[in-house]
Parts: sequence; C-alpha cells; structure tokens
Amino acid sequence: NAGVMQNPRHLVRRRGQEARLRCSPMKGHSHVYWYRQLPEEGLKFMVYLQKENIIDESGMPKERFSAEFPKEGPSILRIQQVVRGDSAAYFCASSRLDRSSYNSPLHFGNGTRLTVT
Amino acid sequence: KQEVTQIPAALSVPEGENLVLNCSFTDSAIYNLQWFRQDPGKGLTSLLLIQSSQREQTSGRLNASLDKSSGRSTLYIAASQPGDSATYLCAVGTGSNYKLTFGKGTLLTVNP
Repeated sequence: NAGVMQNPRHLVRRRGQEARLRCSPMKGHSHVYWYRQLPEEGLKFMVYLQKENIIDESGMPKERFSAEFPKEGPSILRIQQVVRGDSAAYFCASSRLDRSSYNSPLHFGNGTRLTVT
Repeated sequence: KQEVTQIPAALSVPEGENLVLNCSFTDSAIYNLQWFRQDPGKGLTSLLLIQSSQREQTSGRLNASLDKSSGRSTLYIAASQPGDSATYLCAVGTGSNYKLTFGKGTLLTVNP
C-alpha cells in the first residue's frame, strides 16, 4: 500500500522559471493538502484540495502560486517566476474521505526540495 | 493566532533512557493535536493523534498526553533506542483537522 508519493524529490530552478510539484495521495484518499517548510521555520499550511475543487487556499501566497487536483492524475502545485525566497521543502499530505474523516491523521509524503538559484 | 512552541530544541540521551518532549500552544480551542517524527531529508511520519476530547494516546513505547486548559502536550518515549533519533514535531489543528500549526521540533539524538 503505497504512501503519499511526491516527485521530483529535488528540483533546481533559476530565478524566473516555473516549478511544478506533483503529489499522488495514498490509495483511497481524496483529500490533498500542501504545506511548505522554509529554512529554520515550522511547516505552514498552504492549500487544501479535493478532486476538482479548492477547499481552502488561505495559506497560499496571492501571486505566482496555484494548485490543482484534477479528476484524473496527481495534484500539482505550480510556482511561476520563482524567486530565491521560494526555496523550501514542499510537503503534500492526504487523508481519507468517510464519515470519520475528521478523525483521520494526515499522512505526509517525503517532500520536494526546491532550490532557486 | 495559534503559536506552537517545543522545548527543548535539541536533546541528547543515552540509549535506554526514558524521556519527555514538551509542546505548548497558545489557543486552547483546538480540534486535535498530532505528533510526527521527521527523519533527515524525509517526510513526516504520524506517531499519535489526540482528539480535543481525549487526554492521551499510546502506541508501543510512545505515550502522548494532552491538557487543553493549560495548552500543553507531552510525548513520552520509554526505553529510548538509537533508531528513535529524529526530529519530533508537534502540530495543532485549530478550527479544522487539516490546518495544522507546527512547532519547530525537537531534535532527538539517542546515543548507543
């Protein structure tokens, strides 16, 4: 039973390029969450998605960042025109959807480490 | 605004010792509290989840307690082993079970 899969593990981009981070949730999970861990800081919530819907994007920067979770395929976190301050570890988590989902812990992937040069 | 603090920031103990990691939070109106471990370069592994109505949870050598009124949680690790070496993160769900506020973690080193 595969866990949350994220790719790539490491991504290097030059300033101004686009970064696309992918996340496949655990089997049977239909909720996806993105978190960011900046150097020397704790993880911070970015966005919560269900299939084809953004439920809560209150943690997303207003510009250059977008996220989607299409009907088919992985969730994508997209960062346009990257800057050095975007360098961080980006973690995806998933949880299941059922009557007791509010009791479900979040299961995290191994993260994508983005370095902007 | 919820703030989560973990003390100590780093801890080094000899193998076999029992130890306690501390977590405090400023807003007691929490949904749940979750303890994770993070290995270098890896993701987070969920250890224990305590709902707001619960006082503690146990899994193997781990026991986590929750005192909402005082805004504290502790993670107790019995008979520590070198394989327990990792960063331990405390995360609090405020207003939802998914919008977690994380502490900066306690880096634990268990020496053989």
